[in-house]
Amino acid sequence: QSVLTQPPSASGTPGQRVTISCSGSTSNIGGNSVSWLQQFPGTAPRLLMYSNNRRPSGVPDRFSGSKSGTSASLAISGLQSEDEAIYYCATWDDSLSGHVVFGGGTKLTVL
Amino acid sequence: EVQLVESGGGLVQPGRSLRLSCAASGFTFDDYAMHWVRQAPGKGLEWVSGISWNSGRTGYADSVKGRFTISRDSAKNSLYLQMNSLRLEDTALYYCAKAADIVVSGAAFDIWGQGTMVTVSS
Repeated sequence: QSVLTQPPSASGTPGQRVTISCSGSTSNIGGNSVSWLQQFPGTAPRLLMYSNNRRPSGVPDRFSGSKSGTSASLAISGLQSEDEAIYYCATWDDSLSGHVVFGGGTKLTVL
Repeated sequence: EVQLVESGGGLVQPGRSLRLSCAASGFTFDDYAMHWVRQAPGKGLEWVSGISWNSGRTGYADSVKGRFTISRDSAKNSLYLQMNSLRLEDTALYYCAKAADIVVSGAAFDIWGQGTMVTVSS
C-alpha cells in the first residue's frame, strides 16, 4: 500500500489530453514539492517534473504539473504513442524522521 | 557525460550481507544529495535511503532501518549501501539516484543509474 495514491491505469488516444492524479496528506504533498517520474519497461526511471511544475531540460512542454493542497496532478497534452509508460509521483514525507514516498505508479496506455 | 554506475549486486542467502557501490561521473559529486531506490520485480519504486551532500544527514525507509547503512566518499565520487541481515523481501533492482539539491529532504531525482540486481534466496 503506497503512501501516495495514484490510479493504477489511465488511457487516451493520440492527440488527447490525459491527467494522472496523486493524492497524499499534509505530511507529504501538503508541505513539500512533488516530482513525477516516467519509466519505460526495462529502463531506469526518468525525472519528468520537479518542484510541482518545473520541467527538466529535454522534457516536452506537453507535460505539465500542478499541486493543490494534498493532491498533485500530471497532465499530458497532445498524447503520443511514445508516452505509453508508467508514471510515478514522489515527494518528501515529514512524518517520523522523514523519508521519500512514492505513488504506486500509473500505467498509461495510448489506444 | 553525467553518469551513475551501480555495482555489487548478486545472489545472497538470507541473513548475509552485501555492499552496493555507485560510481558518479560528469558532475560535482559533493554538490548533491544522493539516494538509493529499489524496485522489486514487477513492482513500483521504493525509496531505501538518502544522504546529504556532506553526509551530515541520512535517512532510511522503515523496512531497512537498522540493517542498511548509506555512505559516500567524495574522494572516490562514490555512494555506497551496506546491506546486512538481508531478507527475502529485499530482493530488488537497486538504483542509485542523484538528487537535484544538496539536502536529503527532497524527491527530485534527476539522474539514475541502470541499477544492480540483488537476489536474496536460500
